[in-house]
Amino acid sequence: KAGVTQTPRYLIKTRGQQVTLSCSPISGHRSVSWYQQTPGQGLQFLFEYFSETQRNKGNFPGRFSGRQFSNSRSEMNVSTLELGDSALYLCASSWAETANTGELFFGEGSRLTVL
Amino acid sequence: GEDVEQSLFLSVREGDSSVINCTYTDSSSTYLYWYKQEPGAGLQLLTYIFSNMDMKQDQRLTVLLNKKDKHLSLRIADTQTGDSAIYFCAESAGYSSASKIIFGSGTRLSIRP
Repeated sequence: KAGVTQTPRYLIKTRGQQVTLSCSPISGHRSVSWYQQTPGQGLQFLFEYFSETQRNKGNFPGRFSGRQFSNSRSEMNVSTLELGDSALYLCASSWAETANTGELFFGEGSRLTVL
Repeated sequence: GEDVEQSLFLSVREGDSSVINCTYTDSSSTYLYWYKQEPGAGLQLLTYIFSNMDMKQDQRLTVLLNKKDKHLSLRIADTQTGDSAIYFCAESAGYSSASKIIFGSGTRLSIRP
């Protein structure tokens, strides 16, 4: 069974640009969540999508947005990039439908560098 | 609000045991997790424990839970160079939502020869 796939793995942007990151969850998983990982702030929850609906959102500005498609694939977008947006962006998928252990399956991440 | 705290660094000699500690604040936590992140990779679930257990053993890994003190530890026996990674403690009240899983800041484990 294929794992969570994130593209691109690495990208470099300049301030003011926008970026779109993609995540394909494990087949059958309907929940996709996004995290920002930085050395100073650790792992910060961005948002979670389930069945094409944003279910929860973390404490990030409106420049950060996302969506989920009918095949459960998800994208996140960051507009008007700032230097502080440089981070590893992780996507995780899960069953999230029935009572379960809540295990998250992470992709390898997209490392964004903003110059 | 809920919080999970871990020390940032741990250095151990190859072959020794590593003990990574974590404290959490949410008394309604149902599941407690240890995730491992190797360099350049995402997080991978190592093990988890139900809150009604006080110990779980899985090969070289031993998880101890002190619910009264809200303290969780991960012991890695016979630590190897392949164990070098960042270890995240996380807790959840059992909701089926990723937003309810609270992660610690991670402990970077380095192995000395």
